[in-house]
Amino acid sequence: GAVVSQHPSWVICKSGTSVKIECRSLDFQATTMFWYRQFPKQSLMLMATSNEGSKATYEQGVEKDKFLINHASLTLSTLTVTSAHPEDSSFYICSARFGSGGETQYFGPGTRLLVL
Amino acid sequence: KQEVTQIPAALSVPEGENLVLNCSFTDSAIYNLQWFRQDPGKGLTSLLLIQSSQREQTSGRLNASLDKSSGRSTLYIAASQPGDSATYLCAVTSANQAGTALIFGKGTTLSVSS
Repeated sequence: GAVVSQHPSWVICKSGTSVKIECRSLDFQATTMFWYRQFPKQSLMLMATSNEGSKATYEQGVEKDKFLINHASLTLSTLTVTSAHPEDSSFYICSARFGSGGETQYFGPGTRLLVL
Repeated sequence: KQEVTQIPAALSVPEGENLVLNCSFTDSAIYNLQWFRQDPGKGLTSLLLIQSSQREQTSGRLNASLDKSSGRSTLYIAASQPGDSATYLCAVTSANQAGTALIFGKGTTLSVSS
C-alpha cells in the first residue's frame, strides 16, 4: 500500500520557537494532503486541506498565520507551527490522497509536539 | 456540517467475545466510510473502507456494515483477542469547502482482557 512519512516523529521546543513538520508521500503523487491535530483522548480534528500548487484551505478556528502550510510538490507538504506555545502541544498527523473525491487517504505516523 | 458520533466511548470485554462498535453520522451525503485502529501514541491503521454504494466489507475477523440512509455503521469484531485492544475510529468522507475531507468520530477505546 501507499506509504506516507512524517518527520520528525517527536519534537520538544521552547515557547516562542517555530517548528516545521514534513509530510511526504513516498510511492505516489499526492494531489491533496491534509493536516490533523489530535489532543489527548480526543479525535482527529482537520486543520487544513492542501492542494499541490495552491494555498491551503483552513478549517474554521484554525489560525492560518500560526499554522503555515506549504504544498510545494506532489510528494511533500510542510506544516510550520510559528511562535509555538504550550497550548500548541499536540499530536499532528498528515494524510495524503491522489485524486479529489472519495479516494483513500493514507496517513502518516504522526508527529508529537511538546512546547515547554 | 457533518458530525460523527461513536458509541460506546469505551468498552471492556473478556477474550473470545464478539463485539459491536457503533458509528453514526448526521449527513448521509458521504463518499465512503472508514474504520481505523489507533494504538496509544501511534498513527492510524486503516481497517476497512466502505464505499457509499456498498453495504459491508469484511477483513478477517472484522466486518463493517454501512446503512447510508440512516447514517449508521457498525464494526463487528469476532472472537476478540487482547491484541485487539486499541482505539477504533470511524470516519466519513464528506464534501467540504476544500473539496472533500475525512471527518472523524471520537473513537471507541476497546480493552480485551485475557
